Amino acid sequence: SSELTQDPAVSVALGQTVRITCQGDTLRSYYASWYQQKPGQAPVLVIYGDNNRPSGVPDRFSGSNSGYTASLTITGAQADDEADYYCNSRDTSGNYNYVFGTGTKVTVL
Amino acid sequence: EVQLVESGGGLVQPGGSLRLSCAASGFSVRTNYMSWVRQAPGRGLEWVSVIYSGGTSYSADSVKGRFTISRDISNNTLYLQMNSLRTDDTAFYYCARNLGDPRDYWGQGTLVTVSS
Repeated sequence: SSELTQDPAVSVALGQTVRITCQGDTLRSYYASWYQQKPGQAPVLVIYGDNNRPSGVPDRFSGSNSGYTASLTITGAQADDEADYYCNSRDTSGNYNYVFGTGTKVTVL
Repeated sequence: EVQLVESGGGLVQPGGSLRLSCAASGFSVRTNYMSWVRQAPGRGLEWVSVIYSGGTSYSADSVKGRFTISRDISNNTLYLQMNSLRTDDTAFYYCARNLGDPRDYWGQGTLVTVSS
């Protein structure tokens, strides 16, 4: 099965920009989506189809996928953005399976 | 209003079985693809299983042959039948609609603890 690798933790100063990456072979073939999860809560989709924001997600969140590496960028990070972030994509071993990244803890200083 | 409410979690012994339910409202499980995703305490997300609108289903290798996803269209409910449970199946189990799609929506989860 496929793997998606993320850095375990990153920190960003309030108002600054942070980029979270997700690496895996499956990203050469399939779109990436990104989830934000706060403690005790269910994950919330913040990016789908590599670079699209669902309704209601602030425009400080943006995404990209260069093949093998997908990125989530938070431009002008807010205290409320402190959370765990997970990438998600299809699994190359089975077109109908999914795989999540290992997760990145974002701390806003 | 869209809602997903999971139930059926609890404490079960290794080797035992449990059936999780996910009651949907505000949309039809028949016309959407529905997934189960789990998260062990303090760990990351793990995709478990999906059932598509046509009824075809797929599962992760870690649960294949032990877990079965199904749906009851008349009750608008998603299920996960879990057999031969192991301690490493201990996790919060979330049901989700249209994973990775703009109509993506998750329930609040139910905790399954496998322990003797």
